[in-house]
Amino acid sequence: KQEVTQIPAALSVPEGENLVLNCSFTDSAIYNLQWFRQDPGKGLTSLLLIQSSQREQTSGRLNASLDKSSGRSTLYIAASQPGDSATYLCAGDDNYGQNFVFGPGTRLSVLP
Amino acid sequence: DAGITQSPRHKVTETGTPVTLRCHQTENHRYMYWYRQDPGHGLRLIHYSYGVKDTDKGEVSDGYSVSRSKTEDFLLTLESATSSQTSVYFCAISEGGQGAVQPQHFGDGTRLSIL
Repeated sequence: KQEVTQIPAALSVPEGENLVLNCSFTDSAIYNLQWFRQDPGKGLTSLLLIQSSQREQTSGRLNASLDKSSGRSTLYIAASQPGDSATYLCAGDDNYGQNFVFGPGTRLSVLP
Repeated sequence: DAGITQSPRHKVTETGTPVTLRCHQTENHRYMYWYRQDPGHGLRLIHYSYGVKDTDKGEVSDGYSVSRSKTEDFLLTLESATSSQTSVYFCAISEGGQGAVQPQHFGDGTRLSIL
């Protein structure tokens, strides 16, 4: 059974710092990977999707990469802002795109 | 924001009663999903649909059934609710699926408490 670990579980940084969130899968056969953010009491917001033919995606200050040989993904956030405070979740699937397995999330606090 | 509406947003009910949650989308996306989110377990897939009247089971489907009679609506039913089904339920939609995965977009969730 696929299991997902996200490290760290929680992170508190001052505004302006660059930071890296990590996600790893017990089964490295991940074809598609998504990163989401979740604000308290809200649903998930899609940030980046790395499709099966890709290794990396960028959107603004966010960059996500996927190492398929190890089943590890990183989300890089540049120049963090207080508005980035949220829980960040990764999710990977087995290529069929229907059964994404989610990690437990990293709770990020960016202090002004 | 993607046009996804979940109803009700909050519900409290008693063990043994039937419960139906509704997900309505205005995006005409083919794929729809039901997840539950619990502390210590994260998000887990209950059921999904890949078209009208086409559904399949997810990781935690026991005790749940779904129906999709129209593209825009995906219903999740707990035939006889149990306390272990107390959770936050999320609906998600996606344009693509097998071989053409697209991002999933989520509703704001339904908080269900079963006493």
